[in-house]
Amino acid sequence: DIVMTQSPLSLPVTPGEAASISCRSSQSLLQSNGYNYLDWYLQKPGQSPQLLIFLASNRASGVPDRFSGSGSGTDFTLKITRVEAEDVGVYYCMQGLQSPLTFGGGTKVEIK
Amino acid sequence: QVQLQESGPGLVKPSQTLSLTCTVSGGSISSGTYYWTWFRQPAGKGLEWIGRIYTRGSTNYNPSLKSRVTISLDTSNNQFSLNLSSVTAADTAVYYCARRRINGDSYYFDYWGQGTLVTVSS
Repeated sequence: DIVMTQSPLSLPVTPGEAASISCRSSQSLLQSNGYNYLDWYLQKPGQSPQLLIFLASNRASGVPDRFSGSGSGTDFTLKITRVEAEDVGVYYCMQGLQSPLTFGGGTKVEIK
Repeated sequence: QVQLQESGPGLVKPSQTLSLTCTVSGGSISSGTYYWTWFRQPAGKGLEWIGRIYTRGSTNYNPSLKSRVTISLDTSNNQFSLNLSSVTAADTAVYYCARRRINGDSYYFDYWGQGTLVTVSS
C-alpha cells in the first residue's frame, strides 16, 4: 500500500493569515500520462469530506481561489492564502494512483 | 443535483454481517463512468477506503478487508450495497458512500453521502 504522511498534525491559524499543509507519499504518484493522482479533501466538523483539489493542483468546482495545490512525485502542498473561519476542519490528502486508495492522517486546522 | 444517502442498521452484533445501502438520486447509477465507493471512519480517526464497484460491475476491495467484503449494484433501485461479514468491535465506524467520477484522465470523488454510524456490540 502507498503510505501517505501529512504534517503538521494540528495547525492553529489567525483569520486572514496564510496556511500550508504538507503531504508526502511513499511512492511517486506521477503516472506516465503526466498527472499526479493526489487529491485534497476537507472534512468540516460533523460533515462528510468535500473535494478541494484533484490531480494535485486542480481546484474543484465552487472551491474558492484562496485554496491551491502544488507538488509532484512524492511531495505535495496545500496552501490557503487567507484563512477564513469557515475553513476550519480536518484536511486530508489522498492518493488515487493505485488500490487500495489511501489517505494521510489528517491536519486539523483551527482558528486561534 | 446528485445525492447519495446511506441506510441500514445502526447496531450489529459481533460475528454477524453488516449490510448497508447507498441510494443515489439525481442521476442513474448505471449510466456514465463512475466508481461507486464505500469508506469508513472510526470515531476520531482517519478515513479508510473499503472498496468500489464500477458502473459496469467490476469490483476492487481493500486487501485488509477483502475476505469479508462484498459490494454490489442494484440498478433497478438505483442503489449500491456493502456487506461486511464476521464483524467485530473494530468495525465500529461511520460508513460513507461516495461517487468517484472518471473524466478522461481525471478521477475524483465529487459526491458523498452524509455517513451512517454503525456500532458493533452485543
